[in-house]
Amino acid sequence: EDKVVQSPLSLVVHEGDTVTLNCSYEVTNFRSLLWYKQEKKAPTFLFMLTSSGIEKKSGRLSSILDKKELSSILNITATQTGDSAIYLCAVVPRTRSTLGRLYFGRGTQLTVWP
Amino acid sequence: DAGVTQSPTHLIKTRGQQVTLRCSPISGHKSVSWYQQVLGQGPQFIFQYYEKEERGRGNFPDRFSARQFPNYSSELNVNALLLGDSALYLCASSLAGQGSLKKLFFGSGTQLSVL
Repeated sequence: EDKVVQSPLSLVVHEGDTVTLNCSYEVTNFRSLLWYKQEKKAPTFLFMLTSSGIEKKSGRLSSILDKKELSSILNITATQTGDSAIYLCAVVPRTRSTLGRLYFGRGTQLTVWP
Repeated sequence: DAGVTQSPTHLIKTRGQQVTLRCSPISGHKSVSWYQQVLGQGPQFIFQYYEKEERGRGNFPDRFSARQFPNYSSELNVNALLLGDSALYLCASSLAGQGSLKKLFFGSGTQLSVL
């Protein structure tokens, strides 16, 4: 069965620290991987990764995909209290039978203390 | 432009009742997907609709049904509610349809509590 595993499940850091969140997947016919940030209810889009080795960056956040290792990492540098949230990893399969389906991991709960 | 809007935001029901959740996608988006997120878990796919047709269905019982209207809004219906149906129900819309990359935009969800 297709699955997505995120680690760690929970992380507590102080402002200014750098964190690395991990996502590994076992999905048939991989198409793309997405990262979302969920602060209260609505997950908000961060990155979409389709090609291995190409780093996506947005301010203090960056992410990279390793298709060989079937994994991705999300880095956050100089963390701020506003980064406190659940970070969700989702994988999009290519197969027609799962059209429209994203496979989500359980998420990493990041807490940043001032 | 308005994002994905869902109603109601909160709902309390008792076991055995039926519930209807509503979703309006971002203007111009023709695809709507529904996800269930139980506390402590990631969202689980329930349905996808594109151009008013069901294009995907997750591993949920027949008590769950949905439809999409000509204006691309959507409703999710759940019959014979069980305690285990208590969850955050998320609606997501996208420009993408068949064969396209899936960048989804999520609404704030409906928090359903079944007592």
